Amino acid sequence: ILNVEQSPQSLHVQEGDSTNFTCSFPSSNFYALHWYRWETAKSPEALFVMTLNGDEKKKGRISATLNTKEGYSYLYIKGSQPEDSATYLCAFGGGADGLTFGKGTHLIIQP
Amino acid sequence: DTAVSQTPKYLVTQMGNDKSIKCEQNLGHDTMYWYKQDSKKFLKIMFSYNNKELIINETVPNRFSPKSPDKAHLNLHINSLELGDSAVYFCASSQVGNLASEYFGPGTRLTVL
Repeated sequence: ILNVEQSPQSLHVQEGDSTNFTCSFPSSNFYALHWYRWETAKSPEALFVMTLNGDEKKKGRISATLNTKEGYSYLYIKGSQPEDSATYLCAFGGGADGLTFGKGTHLIIQP
Repeated sequence: DTAVSQTPKYLVTQMGNDKSIKCEQNLGHDTMYWYKQDSKKFLKIMFSYNNKELIINETVPNRFSPKSPDKAHLNLHINSLELGDSAVYFCASSQVGNLASEYFGPGTRLTVL
């Protein structure tokens, strides 16, 4: 059984502040690590897929890092905006086996 | 253009009935999936299917069966519906060989009365 843990479970951040949260996953038999953004009443939207240790990906104000040896990934949001409010999901694996998701970090940006 | 579509969006039915949820992707992907979002909003893989192989999560009851008429469709059939089957079901697709992200459909909210 694969365990993907995300912390914190929820997070309130002031508009304009930067923030980050964590995903931990099994470091053995690593395949890929995915980040998704999930807004209420919508479907999960892919942010990043990372496969290499030390990988860093960036999309606008959002970036992610990956450490496959110790089994963790960080997602960073710089200068948070109200539209960043969503649940951020981390998922391990992919391919033919599908994804094993964490329970997500629910981010609320307060104006 | 909708990449991954599901119908219906909402499905309300009685316990014991048999129902289907349809999924179509127009991305040309080779693999499709079904996920269940449980009451705690946790997404869990149910099935993964390409034209060669079906991978079933061992926790999924055999009342659930995926059926793929062609590469662009993966429908979910559920027999003898139970109260506990009430959930949101998401279809997804990806191109496995490219280590690509999965694209999700809008979800189908199933309510069993």
